[in-house]
Amino acid sequence: DAKTTQPTSMDCAEGRAANLPCNHSTISGNEYVYWYRQIHSQGPQYIIHGLKNNETNEMASLIITEDRKSSTLILPHATLRDTAVYYCIVMDNAGNMLTFGGGTRLMVKP
Amino acid sequence: EPEVTQTPSHQVTQMGQEVILRCVPISNHLYFYWYRQILGQKVEFLVSFYNNEISEKSEIFDDQFSVERPDGSNFTLKIRSTKLEDSAMYFCASSEGGGRSPLHFGNGTRLTVT
Repeated sequence: DAKTTQPTSMDCAEGRAANLPCNHSTISGNEYVYWYRQIHSQGPQYIIHGLKNNETNEMASLIITEDRKSSTLILPHATLRDTAVYYCIVMDNAGNMLTFGGGTRLMVKP
Repeated sequence: EPEVTQTPSHQVTQMGQEVILRCVPISNHLYFYWYRQILGQKVEFLVSFYNNEISEKSEIFDDQFSVERPDGSNFTLKIRSTKLEDSAMYFCASSEGGGRSPLHFGNGTRLTVT
């Protein structure tokens, strides 16, 4: 069963912020939100994860709503190399197994 | 930056043959994984491995599959008798610890069974 819902595809202009939404309305208290991406033909790449506070690293920011039922991954200045499929995954901290859904195919356009 | 390496990048084999896919995880990582992705489909979990034993496996990981850590650096996936439907990208991953440690993936081995 899918624990997350993401749009199938999105476009973003190069240099602009890409905001990728994810719904996880059935998330439980000990489950984290993880984001990975997969650039064509490559292995998935970890981006960021969080529990309830907003998080930022060198790649992206993660905004989690107060009720934790949804989150947004923000790429602040998208480049053509950010074109990829982005996966939002929920997993508890005892979990050992990522379950990938269909993700969002982000196309960054010049 | 350390990375997970996989060899070969592409393997072609005939149905019924055995194949071994090889992975060198990141050196201080303790948890190891295999995932696969059939062309055009989702990335699927196969198996996780910790402390020299399987910790979890999916229903895809049947008796035809086995994993091994033969030495301190390699982690292998063996398919004993390949079927056409085993054709896929196989990704190895490793993490420092279980739970919320991020997984680091290799760039995969494309297995083609003819």
